[in-house]
Amino acid sequence: NAGVTQTPKFQVLKTGQSMTLQCAQDMNHNSMYWYRQDPGMGLRLIYYSASEGTTDKGEVPNGYNVSRLNKREFSLRLESAAPSQTSVYFCASSEGTGLYGYTFGSGTRLTVV
Amino acid sequence: GENVEQHPSTLSVQEGDSAVIKCTYSDSASNYFPWYKQELGKRPQLIIDIRSNVGEKKDQRIAVTLNKTAKHFSLHITETQPEDSAVYFCAARYGNNRLAFGKGNQVVVIP
Repeated sequence: NAGVTQTPKFQVLKTGQSMTLQCAQDMNHNSMYWYRQDPGMGLRLIYYSASEGTTDKGEVPNGYNVSRLNKREFSLRLESAAPSQTSVYFCASSEGTGLYGYTFGSGTRLTVV
Repeated sequence: GENVEQHPSTLSVQEGDSAVIKCTYSDSASNYFPWYKQELGKRPQLIIDIRSNVGEKKDQRIAVTLNKTAKHFSLHITETQPEDSAVYFCAARYGNNRLAFGKGNQVVVIP
């Protein structure tokens, strides 16, 4: 049982390049999330998908787009990367009732130069 | 939305002593409060959680208490060990099954 799988684990981009971060869960969870983690800032929600077919903005959505491809997969796209998007990105999932915690992926460390 | 604050930001304790981290939240409708532990370079992992119909929950050396009136909840770690050194995040559930996280507490256990 893999849980939540994120790819890639590390990535270096040049300013203006685009990329997609992939996330897949095998726990049959309804809800999926993308967070970014910056030093001293905790975990900030970028986008989330409460259920298959829906996506909503979180706290810091600017510069990002998402796709809930199916129940298992939720991708995060940076169309034109900026140095301010240098961060560690975590995908997470939950069963969806709100009374259980999230399971996090192992993270993607992204550097934009 | 929900606003979650954690105090203190860094906590150093002698091995064997207790550590307490306190969080406050703003949304009185929040009904679920998990705690996560994150070791250096690793993912956050759920260590304990509490729902709003319960005042206290224990799991071996860790416990969480909730005061709904004051809108705060605390993590208690007893008999601390070096492997307890990590960053701890509290969170509170708000609208549509989202979690708002505090900024984290660095706990350092001194052998």
